[in-house]
Amino acid sequence: DGGITQSPKYLFRKEGQNVTLSCEQNLNHDAMYWYRQDPGQGLRLIYYSQIVNDFQKGDIAEGYSVSREKKESFPLTVTSAQKNPTAFYLCASSATGTGTQYFGPGTRLLVL
Amino acid sequence: AQRVTQPEKLLSVFKGAPVELKCNYSYSGSPELFWYVQYSRQRLQLLLRHISRESIKGFTADLNKGETSFHLKKPFAQEEDSAMYYCALSIKAAGNKLTFGGGTRVLVKP
Repeated sequence: DGGITQSPKYLFRKEGQNVTLSCEQNLNHDAMYWYRQDPGQGLRLIYYSQIVNDFQKGDIAEGYSVSREKKESFPLTVTSAQKNPTAFYLCASSATGTGTQYFGPGTRLLVL
Repeated sequence: AQRVTQPEKLLSVFKGAPVELKCNYSYSGSPELFWYVQYSRQRLQLLLRHISRESIKGFTADLNKGETSFHLKKPFAQEEDSAMYYCALSIKAAGNKLTFGGGTRVLVKP
């Protein structure tokens, strides 16, 4: 393992609070992705970035925001607009031109 | 839009029995298909991809473009195969982002 890390392992959010999930990779990958994993629904794409300073919305971007200021880092902010944030969040990265993605260990977000 | 369907949420088999996980996709072009696996307390990892046409841990999967399927098979299941399995589809023209199926949990009983 290693190569792509996520922190924290668990995160608690209060009502009306924004929280940021960290994702870092040292694989020299250009592309990075954020997924949300819910039981029975598989993984759904939130945001993805194919290159530094550029990112696109995935299938369920509402209530989330990202930045990609460095190649190694792709933080995800869960805003107060996300009404159902409780889930397991997975970050992934891949080399350009390939669909093979490498996943981090995940962050579980819980609402207080 | 592309879609991946895994019709079985749970597959329970005995050790040594064959196991087949079904995956169907909808996409009119030529996608790349993958199987990812998540063992208990481990991160999601690639099991195999259709273009490599290889067997990993005894598992094989054949892409059937006519039936738009990519079923995963193993002739003799082992207890260590118990895990969550996800079928996924990637389209180069769409930035290689993955579309996942809902997942199938495999339980191999002794």
